[in-house]
Amino acid sequence: DIQMTQSPSSLSVSVGDRVTITCRTSQTVNNYLNWYQQKPGKAPKLLISTASSLQSGVPSRFSGSGSGTEFTLTISNLQPDDFATYYCQQSYNSPRMYTFGQGTKLEIK
Amino acid sequence: QLQLQESGPGLVKSSETLTLTCNVSGGSVSSSTHYWGWIRQSPGKGLEWIGNSYYTGASYNNPSLKSRLSTSVDTSNNQFSLKLTSVTAADTAVYFCARGQTYSGRPFDYWGQGILVTVSS
Repeated sequence: DIQMTQSPSSLSVSVGDRVTITCRTSQTVNNYLNWYQQKPGKAPKLLISTASSLQSGVPSRFSGSGSGTEFTLTISNLQPDDFATYYCQQSYNSPRMYTFGQGTKLEIK
Repeated sequence: QLQLQESGPGLVKSSETLTLTCNVSGGSVSSSTHYWGWIRQSPGKGLEWIGNSYYTGASYNNPSLKSRLSTSVDTSNNQFSLKLTSVTAADTAVYFCARGQTYSGRPFDYWGQGILVTVSS
């Protein structure tokens, strides 16, 4: 099975900050890596697919990069609406297996 | 706009079978470019993919659930379902249904709002 290591698990940040979240996989997933945002009591929302493709309607302050086994989600100029938990997800073995990272919770400093 | 809505019991007794249904509107479960998946989230925990099904009848389940899980698509009613047998307290979670793409990174692009299922003893 492909293991996911997402870091950090939580981050205390301020509005206007630049945030970087890292996701590492135990073996290559090429670019089958997706990022989601989840707010309390809500379903996850797809932000980025294929490591770096921003979904329609997602603000351009979100960006993704990486390939192989190391990926990053960057949020520039953090806005109040961005305080949430973020998950990476690999779909390399889709449809037989998917794995999510442990999540990164952004908290207000 | 595609919408997914989970339905089923909010409370299930230990050792019994959990059945959930996801109704799809604004799109078709017979799409050849999408899978129909289930993801769960235990209280305060992360996300766990539990299974996918396809309109052809194919299904793929997380090995961690072994033979307890079955998933299927009902093209006649444009819905898909999950059946989990011999539930325990460890199966208490919010269950989400979602649409999975077969292309472009294969993410889950549309999600239901989720349904909390509590397993009681």
